[in-house]
Amino acid sequence: SQTIHQWPATLVQPVGSPLSLECTVEGTSNPNLYWYRQAAGRGLQLLFYSVGIGQISSEVPQNLSASRPQDRQFILSSKKLLLSDSGFYLCAWGRGASGGPDTQYFGPGTRLTVL
Amino acid sequence: RKEVEQDPGPFNVPEGATVAFNCTYSNSASQSFFWYRQDCRKEPKLLMSVYSSGNEDGRFTAQLNRASQYISLLIRDSKLSDSATYLCVVSSTSGTYKYIFGTGTRLKVLA
Repeated sequence: SQTIHQWPATLVQPVGSPLSLECTVEGTSNPNLYWYRQAAGRGLQLLFYSVGIGQISSEVPQNLSASRPQDRQFILSSKKLLLSDSGFYLCAWGRGASGGPDTQYFGPGTRLTVL
Repeated sequence: RKEVEQDPGPFNVPEGATVAFNCTYSNSASQSFFWYRQDCRKEPKLLMSVYSSGNEDGRFTAQLNRASQYISLLIRDSKLSDSATYLCVVSSTSGTYKYIFGTGTRLKVLA
């Protein structure tokens, strides 16, 4: 069966510090991978998605970036965090099968607080 | 207008009650629909996909009305454990990479 891991679970960072969040998927190959952010009291916002190694699409212009160095690894980064970067960061994977909905499954998330 | 709209609630219902949520979407080209459940401070978990003919999974029934561009979720015989936020999700075409999430409807089932 497939599992998705994210770490760290919680993070408190000062404004201006760098960020690196990691997501890995097990039990599947060539998944679609996604990064979402959920701000307090708001819906999930898609930040990035990837259909393969090195292929990243950005949905929202911001000071965040994503990378996919390996098939089942997805990393979210920032060089300098802003207060507005606080939120619940969720990684998700999907099978990417053509002809059907790309049902997405979420990792446990990282709760980031920027002070 | 938001692409996906939900009544935020909360819906407070007694145990055993039947409760229904609606969700409207603005993109008539939308083809895939889902309901997710999110517990407080947890990740969303897939509850069910929504098919054109409607579908049922135990106490949960999902319906799609393409003409009016809404989907619904019906929960029968509510349990305390059903208390959560229910997220409506729409994606534009089959196999697309983009989900649009509603902000969720909060359900509280009361003893």
